[in-house]
Amino acid sequence: EAGVAQSPRYKIIEKRQSVAFWCNPISGHATLYWYQQILGQGPKLLIQFQNNGVVDDSQLPKDRFSAERLKGVDSTLKIQPAKLEDSAVYLCASSLDSEYYEQYFGPGTRLTVT
Amino acid sequence: AQSVAQPEDQVNVAEGNPLTVKCTYSVSGNPYLFWYVQYPNRGLQFLLKYITGDNLVKGSYGFEAEFNKSQTSFHLKKPSALVSDSALYFCAVRDGNTGKLIFGQGTTLQVKP
Repeated sequence: EAGVAQSPRYKIIEKRQSVAFWCNPISGHATLYWYQQILGQGPKLLIQFQNNGVVDDSQLPKDRFSAERLKGVDSTLKIQPAKLEDSAVYLCASSLDSEYYEQYFGPGTRLTVT
Repeated sequence: AQSVAQPEDQVNVAEGNPLTVKCTYSVSGNPYLFWYVQYPNRGLQFLLKYITGDNLVKGSYGFEAEFNKSQTSFHLKKPSALVSDSALYFCAVRDGNTGKLIFGQGTTLQVKP
């Protein structure tokens, strides 16, 4: 079974530029999550999708971050404009359902904002 | 509010010795608890979970965790550590309202030969 795919793996941009990350979840997984992991901290949920609907985006900085999950499969996370404090690893995860099932994580995208 | 605490930033253990990585939690309602491991430049890998049932949960790579409701703890254990177990370990609790995972700050496990 293929795992969660993410691209790119690494990205370096200057502040005020924009960037987009892509995620392809495990086939059949209804729930998709985007996390931000700052160095030395645990992952923090940014947004959770159930199929193509948003379940929780309470921690998403909506003035600069946006995410979509078209057709309930792939998802993109965008930052525009980026700030220095956005430097982090962005992890995508998926699960069969949000109720009891474990989440499977992709390798992440390491973003450096200079 | 739900929260998870991992009181140790780092745990050092000699290869072959038993290891314990500590986790305590605070939740309203029934706790759904998880352990994940993260190797350098890799995503998190699921180790085990407690939903209900036996307090001793067995997971991947020989790891197990003991759920203790009275002490609100969910410590990760392994009878005999391997050098390859060296990694960053995260405990997480599921938020009962939203379903999202709330992670601890992580504990670095260092196993020395």
